[in-house]
Amino acid sequence: IVLTQSPGTLSLSPGERATLSCRASQNIGPNLLAWYQQRPGQPPRLLIYEAFTRATGISDRFSGSGSGTDFTLSISRLEPEDFATYYCHQYGATPFTFGPGTKVDI
Amino acid sequence: QVHLVESGGGVVQPGGSLRLSCAVSGFTLSGYGMHWVRLAPGKGLEWLAVISHNGANEFYADSVKGRLTVSRDNSKNTVFLHMNTVRPEDTGVYYCARDVGSAWNYPDYWGQGTLVTVSS
Repeated sequence: IVLTQSPGTLSLSPGERATLSCRASQNIGPNLLAWYQQRPGQPPRLLIYEAFTRATGISDRFSGSGSGTDFTLSISRLEPEDFATYYCHQYGATPFTFGPGTKVDI
Repeated sequence: QVHLVESGGGVVQPGGSLRLSCAVSGFTLSGYGMHWVRLAPGKGLEWLAVISHNGANEFYADSVKGRLTVSRDNSKNTVFLHMNTVRPEDTGVYYCARDVGSAWNYPDYWGQGTLVTVSS
């Protein structure tokens, strides 16, 4: 399953809302899609799994939605630490795959 | 506290071999599947492989099938990634990550990564 993320780069200011898209080449069922945040020099951090469930300790400013082939990660009220690269990841069919990432920068 | 530490990275010549290790602590390795993921310079994350909790099953990305092999020694709390016939495009930071379950789901905890550079 090929994942496409858009936009490639999102330039926003602190306090604004970010909307990131992830589209799959075929149905991901049942919503076996996760989102990760990665800052430079750090490993990925799990944000969302099963399309919309927040991982432990993740702020409610992060929310996931979507189903089938179209998924969205929303970040409300961007904080300085939110400026990073975000990846979607499907684990519904092997080989598992990541999207190419969306970089959220200032 | 869950902890994963990769080691074994370094510089290797094209066509050579390398074995990466992932030492874990803070959880019972035999209860979890384990993934390997890499981040190539200037590129995004690439999922490479997963091994089930008991080592009975493995899956690989098409790009590395036949050249990379994952194995584990639960008695030593260690997972391995064997890299053979390496290519320059194998250069990157290699992460091991714990699956949330015993087989294959999504990774939850990640190590800090180990850098592999393929160059002559």
